[in-house]
Amino acid sequence: GDSVTQMEGPVTLSEEAFLTINCTYTATGYPSLFWYVQYPGEGLQLLLKATKADDKGSNKGFEATYRKETTSFHLEKGSVQVSDSAVYFCALSVYGGATNKLIFGTGTLLAVQP
Amino acid sequence: DTGVSQDPRHKITKRGQNVTFRCDPISEHNRLYWYRQTLGQGPEFLTYFQNEAQLEKSRLLSDRFSAERPKGSFSTLEIQRTEQGDSAMYLCASSLASSGTGVTQYFGPGTRLLVL
Repeated sequence: GDSVTQMEGPVTLSEEAFLTINCTYTATGYPSLFWYVQYPGEGLQLLLKATKADDKGSNKGFEATYRKETTSFHLEKGSVQVSDSAVYFCALSVYGGATNKLIFGTGTLLAVQP
Repeated sequence: DTGVSQDPRHKITKRGQNVTFRCDPISEHNRLYWYRQTLGQGPEFLTYFQNEAQLEKSRLLSDRFSAERPKGSFSTLEIQRTEQGDSAMYLCASSLASSGTGVTQYFGPGTRLLVL
């Protein structure tokens, strides 16, 4: 079945370090790919998305490129800040049954230290 | 701009009791979803409404669970005869109707349920 695998955390970085969180997927059909972020005490927020192969999603300095050949959607940021500390979820959306349900990975906790 | 709201934010109950959660989606959104998130896991799909019609239910949704969306506005999720395994965060999301898979779902803050 459709699934998402993302790297386990926690990921601990110093401020201004480079961030990569790996995400790979398995899907039938042509999924859209998403990164959601959950800040402490808050709900899930969309960070970025890509709807077709080779698309790059970007927001707030974060980027991810939809790589169909490697079935990946890795999240990157060139210089992290303490305020980026959160749990990051990779997800895919496929049309199955009646709707486009989201299938999430297990989440990666990012802790950025000053 | 009011986002998705959920009530209550926290619920503690004893095993065997019934609980009901409410979700108010973004007003112009006609699609509404419920997900469940347990500790250390990503959210898992439970059920979906388009307007007032419940069009899909996950196998995770046992017969103790029921969801409604009267008049296509707010939705309720009821759990009857709660079990300790029902302890989780229950998330509601809404979206516009759109063809394709790229439509964004907007999530509420969730209701955290603890069954003692």
